[in-house]
This record gives sequence, structure tokens and C-alpha cells, in this order.
Amino acid sequence: GENVEQHPSTLSVQEGDSAVIKCTYSDSASNYFPWYKQELGKRPQLIIDIRSNVGEKKDQRIAVTLNKTAKHFSLHITETQPEDSAVYFCAADDSGGGADGLTFGKGTHLIIQP
Amino acid sequence: GAVVSQHPSRVICKSGTSVKIECRSLDFQATTMFWYRQFPKQSLMLMATSNEGSKATYEQGVEKDKFLINHASLTLSTLTVTSAHPEDSSFYICSASRSGFGYTFGSGTRLTVV
Repeated sequence: GENVEQHPSTLSVQEGDSAVIKCTYSDSASNYFPWYKQELGKRPQLIIDIRSNVGEKKDQRIAVTLNKTAKHFSLHITETQPEDSAVYFCAADDSGGGADGLTFGKGTHLIIQP
Repeated sequence: GAVVSQHPSRVICKSGTSVKIECRSLDFQATTMFWYRQFPKQSLMLMATSNEGSKATYEQGVEKDKFLINHASLTLSTLTVTSAHPEDSSFYICSASRSGFGYTFGSGTRLTVV
């Protein structure tokens, strides 16, 4: 089955700086890669996703890059703000998003220092 | 956007009793429902996948007789934790999907078994 590795487990950055979280996956059939933000005790919130036919996607301060050959994808947050503090999870899916369930990384606790 | 309602949000039960968690897709028909479990400070782990009208598929290590899943309609799925024990205390989250349209998470249920 799929295995998703996520690094780092904790990331502390100064407010206004950029944050990068990296994930690798093992199943070359995976073709859908969402990123979720989860606050304590709440549901995961989808912040951005990318499909395997795209190398990069951007939405305001958030961007995701995908390298299919190397089987890794990254989340980039620019101009970080205190409200960006949360746990971020990457995930992978081989059904194009919706049929097989997601395999999650272990999560990254992002701390934005004021 | 797609909304998934999950109830109850919190439940405390005595060891040996059963607890039912309900998950409804409010504005779309979910092809598939997924149930995840999340222990404190850990990632989401897929427990089982269910399609309307058919038996659930359980992930390795998840006891199907302990975690009963019913997916009676395209908008409703239930997870029953039978004979709950303290080690079953966790955050349970459902996710509804239509193939190719991604996943929508419920708000989660915090189960505490005393």
C-alpha cells in the first residue's frame, strides 16, 4: 500500500518568513495530493491540492509543487501569519480524489513566532 | 460547498457499552464514505471504506466486528464502536466523497471510554 513520509514534524518560523513542508510517497499510481490544515480538535481543512498532471499550483500565499519522477511534493507558505499556526498534513490518493481513501503523512506542527 | 455533518461531537461512555457515530452528507450524494481514527498528536489513519448498499472494506488491523459500519444510503453512514474499551478512546472522523471530486470531512467525534 501507499506510504507517505512528511518532514519536518515541527517547524518554527518568524512571522513574515516562508515555511516549506515536504512529503514523499511510495506508490507511483498516486495521482491526487491534497494538503490539510488541522487546528486542535477540529476537522482537517483542505487548503490546496494538486493532481499528477500538474507540476505546481498556487493560491495566494500557498503553493504546492509536485515532482512525479522523484515522488515528492511540497507545501510552500509565504508571508506567514500567526493564524497559519496549526498542524499540516499531506496526503496521497491513487483514485484521482474520492474513491480509495487518503493516506496521510504524520503531520507538521507549524509554529509562527511573532 | 459540500458539507458533511457528524454527530455526536463528543461522547463519554462506560467500558463495555456501544456507541454510534453518524455521518451525513448534507448537499451531495456521497459515493463512498471513509472512517478515520486519530489518536492525540498523531495522524489520521483510515479504518474502513464503505459504499452505499455494500459491505465495508476494513484496513488491516481494524476489527470489523468491533467497528460496525452501515452505509444505508448515499447520504448517511454510521460507525458503531461495540463493547468499547478505554483504548478505543480517540477522535473519529468521517469523510464523504464523490469520485474525482475529492473528500469532505465531518467535524469529528471525540470518544472517551471510562
